[in-house]
Amino acid sequence: QQPVQSPQAVILREGEDAVINCSSSKALYSVHWYRQKHGEAPVFLMILLKGGEQKGHDKISASFNEKKQQSSLYLTASQLSYSGTYFCGTEDGANNLFFGTGTRLTVIP
Amino acid sequence: DAGITQSPRHKVTETGTPVTLRCHQTENHRYMYWYRQDPGHGLRLIHYSYGVKDTDKGEVSDGYSVSRSKTEDFLLTLESATSSQTSVYFCAISVRGQETQYFGPGTRLLVL
Repeated sequence: QQPVQSPQAVILREGEDAVINCSSSKALYSVHWYRQKHGEAPVFLMILLKGGEQKGHDKISASFNEKKQQSSLYLTASQLSYSGTYFCGTEDGANNLFFGTGTRLTVIP
Repeated sequence: DAGITQSPRHKVTETGTPVTLRCHQTENHRYMYWYRQDPGHGLRLIHYSYGVKDTDKGEVSDGYSVSRSKTEDFLLTLESATSSQTSVYFCAISVRGQETQYFGPGTRLLVL
């Protein structure tokens, strides 16, 4: 039930945009996005519930298409602080989150 | 800060020995989770708890047991550690199931 993330890794220059995708073969109740810096715990970014709503957090936003069982995370005008590994977590309606294998994002000056 | 601590933060042990990891929270949240994180696998759920003495298995529960005798503490036990259990273990909490999970700082376990 592990969702698939793409790309696996991406390198950006400061100010560039990126999109990280998350797709599942199972019906989704919600999608959670986290960012993890090296050697630290994952930090919650946002949660998207059924309804296709898009959420935003500073210059990071996300969308959720429940019919396609997909979510995308949009990073706009990237900053050095955006570097890290991004995980999506998909919730199956039974209190379980299944995490993707992560997308490593590196922002360079 | 969700008030989550994990102990120990680092541990080295030998194959065959029992190991217990502790997760402690100060917020009285009902749901607590144990994950392991390995390169190429992301975070995988080991066990979770939805209240005192109420626990259930996750996707990688073999070789692990848990206990929750108080709301604030969730213990993960490796009955007989194996090298395949070398990993980083994260505890997480949520106010209610199916909602945002907040992670503790993690425990790095090396089984020799």
